[in-house]
Amino acid sequence: QKEVEQNSGPLSVPEGAIASLNCTYSDRGSQSFFWYRQYSGKSPELIMFIYSNGDKEDGRFTAQLNKASQYVSLLIRDSQPSDSATYLCAGGLRGTSYGKLTFGQGTILTVHP
Amino acid sequence: DTGVSQNPRHKITKRGQNVTFRCDPISEHNRLYWYRQTLGQGPEFLTYFQNEAQLEKSRLLSDRFSAERPKGSFSTLEIQRTEQGDSAMYLCASSLSTGGAGTEAFFGQGTRLTVV
Repeated sequence: QKEVEQNSGPLSVPEGAIASLNCTYSDRGSQSFFWYRQYSGKSPELIMFIYSNGDKEDGRFTAQLNKASQYVSLLIRDSQPSDSATYLCAGGLRGTSYGKLTFGQGTILTVHP
Repeated sequence: DTGVSQNPRHKITKRGQNVTFRCDPISEHNRLYWYRQTLGQGPEFLTYFQNEAQLEKSRLLSDRFSAERPKGSFSTLEIQRTEQGDSAMYLCASSLSTGGAGTEAFFGQGTRLTVV
């Protein structure tokens, strides 16, 4: 079992819709979670991070964390064609090993006009 | 440009040759990480430094791989006797070590290695 698993894609949504990306993790020691966006041929770009249970909103993006269920999600509201990319979920520890991230395999999102 | 810088951006090498990549982190970041990413997969952790000390190495990092960060600034990743399986994107990231909000890791543009 992979330590971080993302819902299988690709995911296709129409422009203006809500895109929902999901991720589960197996290491209960993971304390911090990150969503990165990666355009084809480019490096990962940080979108959001979340440490605490519940929701965290930043503009059109909402990250959700449920530590009891070991579940992380990212909602993208009012999806735009420019949101089309691969979205990577990553888990990490805080403290000494902070920044050493375990990534999921990524979910490809396509937003069609 | 104050982001993480990696050179070269692309490298094509023949099997058996040695290659070296360079990473210049964000200047105030004391942590530096190397990841490897193959097509269709997420990045995999290879190793990381805090200042000049290499604190952890992944099992993925075989004896043919070596990383250094002299003086705690830029870092190099060398692959000796390259194999076709080494073909991947090599990503460098940097962060602060405090572990609090706002100290997340930021990635460079990567070096794409192709071994022929």
